[in-house]
Amino acid sequence: NAGVTQTPKFQVLKTGQSMTLQCAQDMNHNSMYWYRQDPGMGLRLIYYSASEGTTDKGEVPNGYNVSRLNKREFSLRLESAAPSQTSVYFCASSEWGLAAEQYFGPGTRLTVT
Amino acid sequence: GNSVTQMEGPVTLSEEAFLTINCTYTATGYPSLFWYVQYPGEGLQLLLKATKADDKGSNKGFEATYRKETTSFHLEKGSVQVSDSAVYFCAGRRNNRLAFGKGNQVVVIP
Repeated sequence: NAGVTQTPKFQVLKTGQSMTLQCAQDMNHNSMYWYRQDPGMGLRLIYYSASEGTTDKGEVPNGYNVSRLNKREFSLRLESAAPSQTSVYFCASSEWGLAAEQYFGPGTRLTVT
Repeated sequence: GNSVTQMEGPVTLSEEAFLTINCTYTATGYPSLFWYVQYPGEGLQLLLKATKADDKGSNKGFEATYRKETTSFHLEKGSVQVSDSAVYFCAGRRNNRLAFGKGNQVVVIP
């Protein structure tokens, strides 16, 4: 039982390049999330998927797209990377329910030069 | 809306000292409240939670009580260890989403 896995762990991009961050969970959770973490800003929600087949914008969606490929996988795409997207990206998953815990992946550290 | 505010700044203290990290929330309706911990180089993991007023969450010697009258969920530990050095995040959940505070870096000195 691996929990939430993310690939890659590290990535360096040049401005304007594109890439996709991958996330998968093996806990049969309905909901999945993408966050970014920046110093002094805490975690900010980029996009989330409440259930398979649905996606919704979070707090900071500009410059990103997502795909809920199936119940297990939720990818985040940067179409044209910008230095402002340098950050640590975390994927998380949870069940439904007010008290349901979110489980986090280990993160992807992305640098855009 | 749903927002969570943590006290500003890092916290540095000596081993066996008492730790308090303040957290207050605003919400339409009352959310579930959580404390998450992030160790260096890792993702966040749940430390404790509370789902209604007067609930007390506890784990690994940490405690927090959901106080409706002061809209607070302060984290406390009576005697910290070096291994408690980490970043601590308060979060509130409503409508299947979490709102996080900005986090507090805690450094425990031997």
